[in-house]
Amino acid sequence: AQTVTQSQPEMSVQEAETVTLSCTYDTSESNYYLFWYKQPPSRQMILVIRQEAYKQQNATENRFSVNFQKAAKSFSLKISDSQLGDTAMYFCAFMKLAGNMLTFGGGTRLMVKP
Amino acid sequence: SAVISQKPSRDICQRGTSLTIQCQVDSQVTMMFWYRQQPGQSLTLIATANQGSEATYESGFVIDKFPISRPNLTFSTLTVSNMSPEDSSIYLCSVEWAGGEDEQYFGPGTRLTVT
Repeated sequence: AQTVTQSQPEMSVQEAETVTLSCTYDTSESNYYLFWYKQPPSRQMILVIRQEAYKQQNATENRFSVNFQKAAKSFSLKISDSQLGDTAMYFCAFMKLAGNMLTFGGGTRLMVKP
Repeated sequence: SAVISQKPSRDICQRGTSLTIQCQVDSQVTMMFWYRQQPGQSLTLIATANQGSEATYESGFVIDKFPISRPNLTFSTLTVSNMSPEDSSIYLCSVEWAGGEDEQYFGPGTRLTVT
């Protein structure tokens, strides 16, 4: 079974600054997907970014980028130029390559301060 | 991009009753899933809704408590049966599209409170 751990229950950052959210996971799979989802107070789950484990290049999506360290089983999310709208719960999630089940971490509550 | 809707968006129900939650997508999808998010917690997969056959349930979830239907490629329902206060949660459906690169997209969720 896979497990996903987010060790930071809460974080805060000043508007326009950069913040990094941590995620570690445990799996015996060699190929898989990793995701970051954002859940604002509206509770809508929004896919932020995805990473394929077989790709060495770190994924980026505008102000969002990841630092994927496969050997260390680490998958952190960096948010650059933080905006007030980035305030939300952020969930790290794992999916096996041939499966469909998402395994979520416990979440990190991010507050962006003006 | 496709739209995923859920009805109701929220409800307050009495203990012992049942509630059926609907998930509607405006285009055909290959996979539909139901998740539960208990207060202040992360998401847990309840089951995969299979079109034309019985749903596949995860450990800890049973069909008698959470019957699921999926009559076609755009619609699914989840029923929470014989509710107790412990069933108070947000229930979310998610979908995968064919050729969607194994990405799941979520509906807006249904907030259920059981009194």
